Amino acid sequence: GALVYQYPRRTICKSGTSMRMECQAVGFQATSVAWYRQSPQKTFELIALSTVNSAIKYEQNFTQEKFPISHPNLSFSSMTVLNAYLEDRGLYLCGARQGGQNTLYFGAGTRLSVL
Amino acid sequence: SQLAEENSWALSVHEGESVTVNCSYKTSITALQWYRQKSGKGPAQLILIRSNEREKRNGRLRATLDTSSQSSSLSITATRCEDTAVYFCATDHHQGGRALIFGTGTTVSVSP
Repeated sequence: GALVYQYPRRTICKSGTSMRMECQAVGFQATSVAWYRQSPQKTFELIALSTVNSAIKYEQNFTQEKFPISHPNLSFSSMTVLNAYLEDRGLYLCGARQGGQNTLYFGAGTRLSVL
Repeated sequence: SQLAEENSWALSVHEGESVTVNCSYKTSITALQWYRQKSGKGPAQLILIRSNEREKRNGRLRATLDTSSQSSSLSITATRCEDTAVYFCATDHHQGGRALIFGTGTTVSVSP
C-alpha cells in the first residue's frame, strides 16, 4: 500500500532558529507533494505544492525564503522552517500523490513547537 | 480564503447510531473528497465523488454531492467507537494543480 512517513514527529526549537522536516513516500511514486500546516483548531493552511521537475508553487503568505522545499526524487521531500517564531507553531503535514491520481496520502505530521 | 467548509463543528452519537456531516463549497469542482483524521495521524481519504456523480458508497459510508447547491454530505451508519475522528471535505485547489483545499473539519465522537 501507499504510505507516507514524516520525521521528526515532534521538534522543539528556539525562537529564531531553523528546523528541517522530511517526508518519505513508500509504495508509490510521489510525483507531487503538498505541504500543509494544521492549527490546533484543525484548520489546514496550504504552504506549497511541489511537483518533480516543476517549479514549487507557494501560497500567499508563504515564501521560499521562509519555507524552502526540496523534492529531489519520487520518494522524498523536505521542508525547512527558517527563523522560526511563535506563529510558525503547528502540525506540518505532507500529502503526496502519484501521477494523475486524486488521492493525497498523508504522513502523521511533524509537530513544531517554538520556545 | 476557505473554499470548503463543514457545517458543524462537532457531533456526538452513540455506537450503532448514524451520523451525517455536511459540507458546502464555493467554487466549481471536478471532484470532492472526504477525509478522516484520527488523533495523532494524518488525514486519510474515505471517498472521492466526482462532479457528475450524485452518490457514492464505501461500506458504511455514503457520500452525496449536489452541485446545484454546492454541497455534499457524508453519512456513517452503524457507527463504532473507532469512527471517532475529525472529518474533512476537500476540493481541488482553486488555482488548479495537484493540491487540495480542506474544510474546517467536523469532530465526530462516538461513545459506547
